[in-house]
Amino acid sequence: QLQLQESGPGLVKPSETLSLTCTVSGGSISSGSYYWGWIRQPPGKGLEWIANLYYSGSTYYNPSLKSRVTISEHTSRNQFSLKLNSVTAADTAVYYCARARELREFDYWGQGTLVTVSS
Amino acid sequence: QSALTQPASVSGSPGQSITISCTGTSSDIGGYNYVSWYQQYPGKAPKLMIFEVSNRPSGVSNRFSGSKSGNTASLTISGLQAEDEADYYCSSYTSSITWVFGGGTKLTVL
Repeated sequence: QLQLQESGPGLVKPSETLSLTCTVSGGSISSGSYYWGWIRQPPGKGLEWIANLYYSGSTYYNPSLKSRVTISEHTSRNQFSLKLNSVTAADTAVYYCARARELREFDYWGQGTLVTVSS
Repeated sequence: QSALTQPASVSGSPGQSITISCTGTSSDIGGYNYVSWYQQYPGKAPKLMIFEVSNRPSGVSNRFSGSKSGNTASLTISGLQAEDEADYYCSSYTSSITWVFGGGTKLTVL
């Protein structure tokens, strides 16, 4: 059974960089036909897609966040990561990593990790 | 890239049917049959309930069904049960290889 697990600091200072890692078990991020991505949810609000990574290394970003976001893969460790720079309080959210089946649905999700931006 | 439009809340009594709408544009819902629906309980990760407009993953009750007409997708839950009370989100693939979610709908079972 595929499992995804987010990890990273729970507290980030304003203007600094948020860094999260998603560790995948039960399957390889190098296998074809899947996109690996990040989705966030501010407290009490809805879901927002952030970015996806294709197994070939191609990356795709939400236009509203593109200037601040980088998604990358670490194939040898079966991990992929998210970096969001110049964070503000508006970036406080639960961050989920997930797998998308080709261009379709997000079928597997991590449990989510809360990141708070505060000094 | 604007969020898909969902009603903020819907409600229904046990045994009834409810429908949640999700409105987008010809660049997302109207352009692709890649609409999915997610159920989310408080403090939990979203769970896939419907994919490719109307398909159910293994293990999802057949009380859940999806459809699409033009730029609007719909999720229908029949035979409403107390356990269906949750937040529901629609999502669609869009042009330029991006994804978009709806704002979410809180379902209350009266």
